[in-house]
Amino acid sequence: QVQLQQWGAGLLRPSETLSLTCDAYDGSFSDYYWTWIRQPPGKGLEWIGQINHSGSTSYSPSLKSRVTISIDTSKNQFSLKLSSVTAADTAVYYCARGGHSPLDYWGQGILVTVSS
Amino acid sequence: DIQVTQSPSTLSASVGDRVTITCRASQRITSWLAWYQHKPGKAPKLLIYRASILHTGVPSRFRGSGSGTEFTLTISSLQPDDFATYYCQQYDTPAMFGQGTKVEIK
Repeated sequence: QVQLQQWGAGLLRPSETLSLTCDAYDGSFSDYYWTWIRQPPGKGLEWIGQINHSGSTSYSPSLKSRVTISIDTSKNQFSLKLSSVTAADTAVYYCARGGHSPLDYWGQGILVTVSS
Repeated sequence: DIQVTQSPSTLSASVGDRVTITCRASQRITSWLAWYQHKPGKAPKLLIYRASILHTGVPSRFRGSGSGTEFTLTISSLQPDDFATYYCQQYDTPAMFGQGTKVEIK
């Protein structure tokens, strides 16, 4: 059974860097792409970006200048960094398995609030 | 980049109703389209992928159809557990979600 466990800071000040990590309990970690998604309060789902085992990434055009997704295959782990956050980055952030394929397993979601 | 437009944004229905949600892509997406169900406080769940393939464990009352630029999610007989928000997603890169359709009780 695949499980994704995500963790990271839930409260940030404007201009700081958001940093989240997702641990994937999946024996086939290197066979998949891994994706980050977010949902601002009262809004819909937004695709942030994805990465594969070799580190090949693709990002949302609207976030590309501020986003970095990385992967550590030795730990079955991938991470999200979003720089220069503002209140508009307040959202529930999800990690998920998939990319160039449907998102079939999701993390539990973590609320990140940006406030001064 | 491929944009997806979902409609309607809200749908009021009763238990037993047939419900249809539409997703239109700005260009042909070769069936790389998925549908998700999302309930408040929970992670989204995959319902359908490649436009029409039912994900494991999803009830057969959910049906996906379409190709090219127009796709449809149909719930044949709405059940109490189906009141939720539904999203389409084209998963070519960069991927994109539709705006969502909230299915609420009439």
